[in-house]
Amino acid sequence: GAGVSQSPSNKVTEKGKDVELRCDPISGHTALYWYRQRLGQGLEFLIYFQGNSAPDKSGLPSDRFSAERTGESVSTLTIQRTQQEDSAVYLCASSPGTSALLGEQYFGPGTRLTVT
Amino acid sequence: AQSVTQLDSQVPVFEEAPVELRCNYSSSVSVYLFWYVQYPNQGLQLLLKYLSGSTLVKGINGFEAEFNKSQTSFHLRKPSVHISDTAEYFCAVSEGGATNKLIFGTGTLLAVQP
Repeated sequence: GAGVSQSPSNKVTEKGKDVELRCDPISGHTALYWYRQRLGQGLEFLIYFQGNSAPDKSGLPSDRFSAERTGESVSTLTIQRTQQEDSAVYLCASSPGTSALLGEQYFGPGTRLTVT
Repeated sequence: AQSVTQLDSQVPVFEEAPVELRCNYSSSVSVYLFWYVQYPNQGLQLLLKYLSGSTLVKGINGFEAEFNKSQTSFHLRKPSVHISDTAEYFCAVSEGGATNKLIFGTGTLLAVQP
């Protein structure tokens, strides 16, 4: 079946502009994660959605970052007033209900964001 | 707070040679441990995981890893590598719980040479 998909694959934007990144999880997966991978660094957790529960936003680096998810479907990550330090690959992952408790996550190919 | 250390940013090795990629973690509670692999131009894939039980876990493509609680390590090994194993390898830890977010190391690039 289809894996996790993300769009766009690449995004170049000017400093100060807003960007919206999209993630389509695997159908039936209740858990969805966003991570950020800066050049030469590991992945940083940003936000977690599980069903209709309140999301865990503890990893969002500033109030310029926000994310939404409708039910168990598509999620969007929005970055307002982008800064150069926001340049990174943004990865989305999803998990089925039980595996969400065990850390097995399925990753999308990522969106490479470049802020000029 | 949890953290994961992968000391080797790059490991060059010749084809058919053995390899070990090192991973150490810090945590005050029991953890789940994972290795993910990222092939060029592809997303991350789960290679193997330790949840409980036997400390030696086997994954895909002939890789295995051993959980050592006293040394807080989870090193990844393969007895004979192939060119196709060239990829970035990430070690990750989770404390479980409601979120089960993964804390990743900075990654090790395994570069297999003919």
